Amino acid sequence: AQSVTQLGSHVSVSEGALVLLRCNYSSSVPPYLFWYVQYPNQGLQLLLKYTSAATLVKGINGFEAEFKKSETSFHLTKPSAHMSDAAEYFCAVSQSGAGSYQLTFGKGTKLSVIP
Amino acid sequence: NAGVTQTPKFRVLKTGQSMTLLCAQDMNHEYMYWYRQDPGMGLRLIHYSVGEGTTAKGEVPDGYNVSRLKKQNFLLGLESAAPSQTSVYFCASRTPDRGRHQPQHFGDGTRLSIL
Repeated sequence: AQSVTQLGSHVSVSEGALVLLRCNYSSSVPPYLFWYVQYPNQGLQLLLKYTSAATLVKGINGFEAEFKKSETSFHLTKPSAHMSDAAEYFCAVSQSGAGSYQLTFGKGTKLSVIP
Repeated sequence: NAGVTQTPKFRVLKTGQSMTLLCAQDMNHEYMYWYRQDPGMGLRLIHYSVGEGTTAKGEVPDGYNVSRLKKQNFLLGLESAAPSQTSVYFCASRTPDRGRHQPQHFGDGTRLSIL
């Protein structure tokens, strides 16, 4: 079965600094990967997804992620953090087989932005 | 444009009580999912459904039951609530289009406390 590991349960950056949230995956088949964002007291919102069409994926709110097969990684970045980016971020992989299209989530990384 | 709607948003139960959480989607999605979210654990799949009248167990199904009598609704039941079921519950749905690249769409969650 596929899995994802998010390094760092909590990341703090200064406003205007680079945001880097790490995700590594384990998969025996080509993975389909997602990043979701969860703002306080809300549900999960799709940021971006990797579908093998391009290794660099651009998402909403200025975020992007690069798929690196050699490193089995799909790290999320944003050049300049904004206060509104404070949220929890989840990396997920779509499971193959069974036709249920289940997602397996990482444990999440909470991003704090310091003014 | 409602998307995925969960009711209730908050609930407090006593140990041993029962309740049903309702998820409704207006996107004509075939696939629906129930997750629970606990601090530091990410989202874990409880049950899912690949169509009206069908349900299946996910990663953490014990203590829960589900029903999908209508395509747009997916109900999650707790027959005898336990404190370990204190959590935030999320419902999600996805398009019937084939392919692991299709994202899931999430509701805003139900915050459930069992005393």
